[in-house]
Amino acid sequence: GEDVEQSLFLSVREGDSSVINCTYTDSSSTYLYWYKQEPGAGLQLLTYIFSNMDMKQDQRLTVLLNKKDKHLSLRIADTQTGDSAIYFCALNTNAGKSTFGDGTTLTVKP
Amino acid sequence: DTGVSQNPRHKITKRGQNVTFRCDPISEHNRLYWYRQTLGQGPEFLTYFQNEAQLEKSRLLSDRFSAERPKGSFSTLEIQRTEQGDSAMYLCASSLTTAGNTIYFGEGSWLTVV
Repeated sequence: GEDVEQSLFLSVREGDSSVINCTYTDSSSTYLYWYKQEPGAGLQLLTYIFSNMDMKQDQRLTVLLNKKDKHLSLRIADTQTGDSAIYFCALNTNAGKSTFGDGTTLTVKP
Repeated sequence: DTGVSQNPRHKITKRGQNVTFRCDPISEHNRLYWYRQTLGQGPEFLTYFQNEAQLEKSRLLSDRFSAERPKGSFSTLEIQRTEQGDSAMYLCASSLTTAGNTIYFGEGSWLTVV
């Protein structure tokens, strides 16, 4: 089945850029997502990219997709303390279900 | 608010008891999903419905778990004879069956089995 890997922790200073990385094994994934989860809460969809795209920008968020290397990244520009959370990469095929990584905990220091 | 709604948000139960969670999806969404999430892990797929039909069930969904979506709107997830290992957050999500298939999650229902 699909395997999705993320590094567990990332710490940055307020105002810096954050880059969260994700690697996956199944190249048939059609849609690739980034979700944000704050403590005790559900998952908030941040952005997504179709597999036929290389890059998507949405305000402070930039998603890069390297299909050859099966690598997805999320860059957060001008990171703020409110961005501290767990970020999940998820992959989806037309079959319906999504497969998630175990999340990257982002800590933003003032 | 027309997002995905789940209740109860928190449930503490004794081992061996039955529990039921309810999910109300976004009204025009015909797909509904259940996931389970434990601390330090990402959500794990349990099952999903398209309208009232249950299309896929994970190996994680043991015989003690049953999910229904009788009228293609809200769904229930019942866990019978709960075990301590069932303690987790149960997440419901919904989506349209169109290209893009963006899945929107509810706030989750926390289950603690003591």
